[in-house]
Amino acid sequence: QKEVEQDPGPLSVPEGAIVSLNCTYSNSAFQYFMWYRQYSRKGPELLMYTYSSGNKEDGRFTAQVDKSSKYISLFIRDSQPSDSATYLCAMSYNNAGNMLTFGGGTRLMVKP
Amino acid sequence: EPEVTQTPSHQVTQMGQEVILRCVPISNHLYFYWYRQILGQKVEFLVSFYNNEISEKSEIFDDQFSVERPDGSNFTLKIRSTKLEDSAMYFCASGETQYFGPGTRLLVL
Repeated sequence: QKEVEQDPGPLSVPEGAIVSLNCTYSNSAFQYFMWYRQYSRKGPELLMYTYSSGNKEDGRFTAQVDKSSKYISLFIRDSQPSDSATYLCAMSYNNAGNMLTFGGGTRLMVKP
Repeated sequence: EPEVTQTPSHQVTQMGQEVILRCVPISNHLYFYWYRQILGQKVEFLVSFYNNEISEKSEIFDDQFSVERPDGSNFTLKIRSTKLEDSAMYFCASGETQYFGPGTRLLVL
């Protein structure tokens, strides 16, 4: 079983839709969870950062972590064409200086 | 807003040659990292660096790789003798919450 799994997509939605992106993981030692957005041939851009289980909201973005199910989600409300990108989940064992383990990314296309 | 910068943006080299990839992390950050992403594959951790020494490295980071912080601002990744399979996008990141640079696309011929 891969350590972090993500549906590669592509996920195609109309503008204004609510998008749900998900990752599952196998290692219960992961404590910190991130979502990055990556445009084609660019560096990952940090969107959300959460610790342990629970929800975190930032504007149109909500991150959820369910450690009991080893499942994390990113919700995007009122999706825009500019949200079209690849979304990467990443996780680490601790905060400072620890390696990130990435999922393979989900490609999202928001159609006007 | 401060950001991580990387040079060059693209590098083409011959197999067996040495390359040095350069990064300028965000100025007050203490943790630095290198990752790579082979085309169509996951982002993979290479190495982390703190307090002027390697704090963690992956199996990919073998004797052909080295990192250095030669002055107060730059952080470099050296590949001593490049192989075809080293062709990838190389990302530098800095900070406890890791902020990534735009990457250097390395092509080994």
